Amino acid sequence: AQSVTQLDSQVPVFEEAPVELRCNYSSSVSVYLFWYVQYPNQGLQLLLKYLSGSTLVKGINGFEAEFNKSQTSFHLRKPSVHISDTAEYFCAVILNDYKLSFGAGTTVTVRA
Amino acid sequence: NAGVTQTPKFQVLKTGQSMTLQCAQDMNHEYMSWYRQDPGMGLRLIHYSVGAGITDQGEVPNGYNVSRSTTEDFPLRLLSAAPSQTSVYFCASKATTDTQYFGPGTRLTVL
Repeated sequence: AQSVTQLDSQVPVFEEAPVELRCNYSSSVSVYLFWYVQYPNQGLQLLLKYLSGSTLVKGINGFEAEFNKSQTSFHLRKPSVHISDTAEYFCAVILNDYKLSFGAGTTVTVRA
Repeated sequence: NAGVTQTPKFQVLKTGQSMTLQCAQDMNHEYMSWYRQDPGMGLRLIHYSVGAGITDQGEVPNGYNVSRSTTEDFPLRLLSAAPSQTSVYFCASKATTDTQYFGPGTRLTVL
């Protein structure tokens, strides 16, 4: 069973507009959740993570995500995007102490 | 710290050839893993290791072998390359139930 589902494969957005990337996870797994970003031809970089505590998590580069247990969601948001935010974004969940399961990814293309 | 390093960055193989993708980390992390990234499929776990001398299979282990003789190194071996193994391979490491650190990736093409 898919542990993580990213609901949008492609998200085009204009510069300075807000963006939301949707992620739902299987309720049968633990709730350690992550968002990673991959810029073109680069490796993965952690944007933010939720392990416990406040359900609103702030990350790097102005991104934030909200953990919603009742909706089993962990959507990523940014109020105003830049051209440099063009990248692929991955939602991930830890299945046990070690294994990380990724969603299929969402490609964000920011246009001027 | 160099973090997680991978070599080579690019590789082209012919079907049936074997090769080893190298991965090293200098953060003294116990846990290391190998993923492959294919369009529309995210990253899929190939093999992982929870410490020196201990390895286990991930989601897509067929056609790959690993070993972990030291904490620092976790090489991935392709025994007989197939076109289906054309992909981008990422090595990662972490200390505990927390952030994984990824290497820059190896882009492999099998003809």
